[in-house]
Amino acid sequence: QVQLQQSGAELMKPGASVKISCKATGYTFSSYWIEWVKQRPGHGLEWIGEILPGSGSTNYNEKFKGKATFTADTSSNTAYMQLSSLTSEDSAVYYCARRGDYGNYPFAYWGQGTLVTVSA
Amino acid sequence: DIKMTQSPSSMYASLGERVTITCKASQDINSYLSWFQQKPGKSPKTLIYRANRLVDGVPSRFSGSGSGQDYSLTISSLEYEDMGIYYCLQYDEFRTFGGGTKLEIK
Repeated sequence: QVQLQQSGAELMKPGASVKISCKATGYTFSSYWIEWVKQRPGHGLEWIGEILPGSGSTNYNEKFKGKATFTADTSSNTAYMQLSSLTSEDSAVYYCARRGDYGNYPFAYWGQGTLVTVSA
Repeated sequence: DIKMTQSPSSMYASLGERVTITCKASQDINSYLSWFQQKPGKSPKTLIYRANRLVDGVPSRFSGSGSGQDYSLTISSLEYEDMGIYYCLQYDEFRTFGGGTKLEIK
């Protein structure tokens, strides 16, 4: 079955960068877009963007251009999101997700989330 | 960018009550609209996609309707386990989430 396993919580200093991973199992990793979502308390859910691992094609929410960078390693079936120049506004839970096969709708499968805390 | 306006932002309802949450898109989104439920500390879970299609395993008391810019999620008879935060999502043009509705039991 499809599973997305994310890396653990991170505590980072302002100005640093962090790289979150999302390991996919149970399907052909290269064929499905992996999407990334940010969730801050009181701020709901924000779509950051997506990557198609097989080609490396990406789409970014304009708001996150320059902040987030997506990569994917098809040899390990792992997608990554790097966040740069961290500030307190980047403290959030970040999710990776994939669309479903039946119904072809987005966010059918979710990772468990990775908490990033930015604090001096 | 498509904006999604969700209402109400929070509500209390009684067990057995009919509950409706609405989302309005800033433009026609061609029924590319999903509804999610999220419980504390958990990832969101899709309930409805393509405006009115129930995801397998989701209780039939949940239903979705709407077209064009206006959509709604209805819970026909509220149960205790339905507490949580509900979000809509448009996926006609990239993705935009609604602001969320916190549903609590009265």
